[in-house]
This record gives sequence, structure tokens and C-alpha cells, in this order.
Amino acid sequence: DIVMTQSPDSLAVSLGERATINCKSSQSVLYSYDNKNYFAWYQQKPGQPPKLLIYWASTRESGVPDRFSGSGSGTDFTLTISSLQAEDVAVYYCQQHYSTPYTFGQGTKVEIK
Amino acid sequence: QVQLVQSGAEVKKPGASVKVSCKASGYTFSSYDINWVRQATGQGLEWMGWMNTNSGNTGYAQKFQGRVTMTRDTPITTAYMELSSLRSEDTAVYYCARRNDAFDMWGQGTMVTVSS
Repeated sequence: DIVMTQSPDSLAVSLGERATINCKSSQSVLYSYDNKNYFAWYQQKPGQPPKLLIYWASTRESGVPDRFSGSGSGTDFTLTISSLQAEDVAVYYCQQHYSTPYTFGQGTKVEIK
Repeated sequence: QVQLVQSGAEVKKPGASVKVSCKASGYTFSSYDINWVRQATGQGLEWMGWMNTNSGNTGYAQKFQGRVTMTRDTPITTAYMELSSLRSEDTAVYYCARRNDAFDMWGQGTMVTVSS
């Protein structure tokens, strides 16, 4: 199984400041056939299902604000919130869907400082 | 609009089975896989398995092999997840999710409580 490890487990950021979350996979999730990273980021607010933010490691889902960006390839990935807003308080999860089981990171809780 | 609507909360006794439904609308049901993910209270996301809604082929996480069955009823665009031999550790919210480029659409979740 591919193990997804996020860091940090939680972070507190001032409004308007940058938040950065990292995710490392235990093996590459880059599929050489199509040169795509089978990697995604999700946001989950209390009492709600997860919401897709970023897919193919760096493609923003339709309707997601452009303050959210994803980067990385292979085994190391980053989610950046360029200017934290109050509505961004949530738990963020990374996921690989390169091979089953499609594993998630343990989650990173983002709060306002 | 594109949506997945799940069945309501369930309370089951240990050893029983539960069957959760996931009705798709707003898109061609058989064009996308449906995955099932669960989340215990205060915990992270745990992938359970997937189903090809066209062929009915399935793949399950090893942890659930022998206890989980994923099926579909194509005419009514509904997917099902049945979990048997329930134990207290199965108490969780169960989600269905459509796999497109990633899991781009999720159901609202179904709370399953296992308690004697």
C-alpha cells in the first residue's frame, strides 16, 4: 500500500497570511503513460463531506478560489493557501489514486491564529 | 445538477449487516466509478473500495475483503455498499464518491452506528 504522510498535523495562520501543507507518498504516483500525478487535495469542513480542491497535483477544480494552489510531482507535494481567509478553516487531506487502495493522508487541521 | 444522495442514518446491532444506497443524478451513471470511503468520528478518511458502474467489477480494500459487497442498479442509477458482521469499530460516516479525475463528487454521508 502507498502510505501518504502529511505535515504538519495542524497549523495556525493569521488571516491574509500564507498556509503551506506538505504531503509525501511512500512511492511515486506519477504514471509514466500519461505523465500525470494521480494525486489530489481535499478540504473538509465540520459536518460536511470532503470537497475536491486540486487534482493531477496542480489543477484547480472548477469554482475553487485561486488562492489555493498545488505543486509537486512523484512523491512530494504541497498545497498552498496564498492568503488565508476565515472560510478556509478546515481539515485538508491529500490522496493518491494511482493504485488501490486509494490512500489518504492523516489530515492537516488549519486554524486562524 | 450533478449529485449523489445517500440513504439515511442506520443503527445496527453487532453481527448484523447494513446496506447503504447512493443515488446518482445529473450525469451518465455508468460512465464513472463509484468509490466508498468511511470516516469514524474525529478520524481521517478510509477508502473501502470501488465499483465500475458499467461492468459491475469491484475492488475492495484488503481490510474489508469478505465483509463488503458493492453493487449497482443501473436503471435507477443507484450504487450500494453492504457491510456485514458489523462490530463497534464500524461506527462511522460512510460516503460514496464519484471518481472522475479524482473524487470530484461526494454524497452527503450516511451515519452507521453499531451498538448493542
